[in-house]
Amino acid sequence: DGGITQSPKYLFRKEGQNVTLSCEQNLNHDAMYWYRQDPGQGLRLIYYSQIVNDFQKGDIAEGYSVSREKKESFPLTVTSAQKNPTAFYLCASRENREFLVRTEAFFGQGTRLTVV
Amino acid sequence: KNEVEQSPQNLTAQEGEFITINCSYSVGISALHWLQQHPGGGIVSLFMLSSGKKKHGRLIATINIQEKHSSLHITASHPRDSAVYICAVRLQGAQKLVFGQGTRLTINP
Repeated sequence: DGGITQSPKYLFRKEGQNVTLSCEQNLNHDAMYWYRQDPGQGLRLIYYSQIVNDFQKGDIAEGYSVSREKKESFPLTVTSAQKNPTAFYLCASRENREFLVRTEAFFGQGTRLTVV
Repeated sequence: KNEVEQSPQNLTAQEGEFITINCSYSVGISALHWLQQHPGGGIVSLFMLSSGKKKHGRLIATINIQEKHSSLHITASHPRDSAVYICAVRLQGAQKLVFGQGTRLTINP
C-alpha cells in the first residue's frame, strides 16, 4: 500500500543535540512538507520541497534544516539552534502538477519529539 | 486574527447525536480540506472540497465559497468518532496549507 512513513513515533533528545526525523513516501509525489504542531495551535509550515534537490523555507524555518536528495525522502533535522524544539512534527506529500492544484495531501503518522 | 477559524474548539456529545463543526476563512482559496487527527497524532484526510458538498459514510462536508465557510457534519455519532477535526485551506496560487486550530470532539457512550 502507498503511503507516508515517519519514524520514529516518539523521540527523546537531550538539549543541545541535533536530531533528524525521517519521512519516506512511496506515492511518487513530487512535493513534500514538514509541519510543526504545538498544543492549542494549528499546524505551521517549517519547510517544503516541490522537487528533488530543491526546498523552500516555510513560516517557521529557523533552527531547522532539510534535504531532498531522493524523491521518496525528506528528512528534517532539528538543530540545537531551535529554541523550543519539543513539539509534534508531521510530514505530508502531494502531487505537484501545477495545472492541477486541487490534489489531495497525504499525511504521515507524526513524530513526537521531546527535548529534555 | 487567524486566516482559518474553527468553531467550536471543544465539543462533547452523546452517542447518536448529529454533530456540526464549522470553519470560516478570510482569504481566497483553491481548495479546503477536512482532516481527522486521532490521539496517537496521525492525520487522515477526510475530504477535499472546492465547491458544493461531499459525503462519505456518516460524514458530510459542505462549502459555501461566497460566504467563505465550510461545515463538517457527522450523523449518528459514535465514540470512535472522538478525535480532533482540522480544517485547512490551500491559498490561491500557493503551495502551502493554512490550518485551523482544530476542534476536539468527544462522543460519550
